[in-house]
Amino acid sequence: QKEVEQDPGPLSVPEGAIVSLNCTYSNSAFQYFMWYRQYSRKGPELLMYTYSSGNKEDGRFTAQVDKSSKYISLFIRDSQPSDSATYLCAMSESTGNQFYFGTGTSLTVIP
Amino acid sequence: EAGVVQSPRYKIIEKKQPVAFWCNPISGHNTLYWYRQNLGQGPELLIRYENEEAVDDSQLPKDRFSAERLKGVDSTLKIQPAELGDSAVYLCASSRDRLSEAFFGQGTRLTVV
Repeated sequence: QKEVEQDPGPLSVPEGAIVSLNCTYSNSAFQYFMWYRQYSRKGPELLMYTYSSGNKEDGRFTAQVDKSSKYISLFIRDSQPSDSATYLCAMSESTGNQFYFGTGTSLTVIP
Repeated sequence: EAGVVQSPRYKIIEKKQPVAFWCNPISGHNTLYWYRQNLGQGPELLIRYENEEAVDDSQLPKDRFSAERLKGVDSTLKIQPAELGDSAVYLCASSRDRLSEAFFGQGTRLTVV
C-alpha cells in the first residue's frame, strides 16, 4: 500500500465550477500537508501548506485536513482555465523530513 | 531572482549509456533535492543535500546512480549505465534550509531507448 493515495482523474469541469481534490494516507504520523500545482512540462510549485487538522484559505483555494479520517482536500472556487494543471498532495511527519507525494490529479477547466 | 535551473531539459540516450544532469539551485539555498517523477506519478526523493553533505540518499539506487554537490552549490546527478526503466523526469529542488519551502526546477526529461 502506498503512503499516499490520490485519484489521478482526469477531472474536467466548466469554468466557474467548484473543484474538490482529495488524498488519503496511511501514516498517522503525518502532520504537515501540502498541495502543489504542476503545469505541463514544469516543476511543481507550492500552493497551500497546512499543519495538523483544520482548514486554511487563500483566495479561491481552501485546504482541509481531517487527521481522524486520514483525508485531505483542496477546494478551488470559481475555477478558471488557468487552474488547468496537475495537483499533487504531499505530506510529511515533520518539517525537514522527507515528504511523500500523491500521484497527482489532472484538472482541466473548460472556458 | 532566478529560479532553480536544470540542464539539459531533454535527453534521449540508448540503454547502457551514461547520462548526467546538472542543477543550479537558487542563490543562498543550502538544501538541495533530487527527485524522480515517473509518468503519471508524483515525485520521489532520490537524495537530499545539506550544503555539500548528502544527508538522505536511502532512495538512490547506488549501483548505477551517483550524485555530487561540490562546494555546496551546483549539483550533478549521474546514471551509469542507464536502463529502460530510468526513463522519467528528474527534478531538482532547493530550499533555504530543510525547514523552508522547496522550489522546483523544470526538470530534465530522460528517455532511454
